[in-house]
Amino acid sequence: DQQVKQNSPSLSVQEGRISILNCDYTNSMFDYFLWYKKYPAEGPTFLISISSIKDKNEDGRFTVFLNKSAKHLSLHIVPSQPGDSAVYFCAASGNDYKLSFGAGTTVTVRA
Amino acid sequence: GAGVSQSPSNKVTEKGKDVELRCDPISGHTALYWYRQRLGQGLEFLIYFQGNSAPDKSGLPSDRFSAERTGESVSTLTIQRTQQEDSAVYLCASSLGLAAGELFFGEGSRLTVL
Repeated sequence: DQQVKQNSPSLSVQEGRISILNCDYTNSMFDYFLWYKKYPAEGPTFLISISSIKDKNEDGRFTVFLNKSAKHLSLHIVPSQPGDSAVYFCAASGNDYKLSFGAGTTVTVRA
Repeated sequence: GAGVSQSPSNKVTEKGKDVELRCDPISGHTALYWYRQRLGQGLEFLIYFQGNSAPDKSGLPSDRFSAERTGESVSTLTIQRTQQEDSAVYLCASSLGLAAGELFFGEGSRLTVL
């Protein structure tokens, strides 16, 4: 049972434009949300997180938005750069210390 | 090294054989996690350790899977009588503590069962 869903398997964006990645979750007990980035043949690396008490968290070019009522979060990358080309995983956790991951969205930034 | 180290990086085995995957977490990290990623899918939780104990084994797919951790350090994931559906990348991660937050992942062990 997939509790975290990333419905777009891929996204192509031109360099300098905004990348918007979406994520939906079903478990109302989730209270902490993270985005991870993964390059080929490497493990995922932490990118940005947000607690359920907030609706926005910003770190440089990366901003995560949380809409609890819709059980939806999104990651904005502005401006997109070629080095941002990677697979992005949305993850969520509640009080059981397990991170549930989505299937990932492959982002390709075109020069 | 300073990161999470996994070995082997690649393992090809025949159906029915046993395999053992190893994870060296970051020094001082008390929490350790195993995940699996099948081709085209997301990361699937298998098991986590707090210290040497594993409070939640619910993610292990079958009784052919087992994991242990010793000395609050190295962990091994053992798959007995491997099946083709076990083919996946097995990822290990560690963190300072259990309270959610950032996990540090290794590069994974790619298992191919022929």
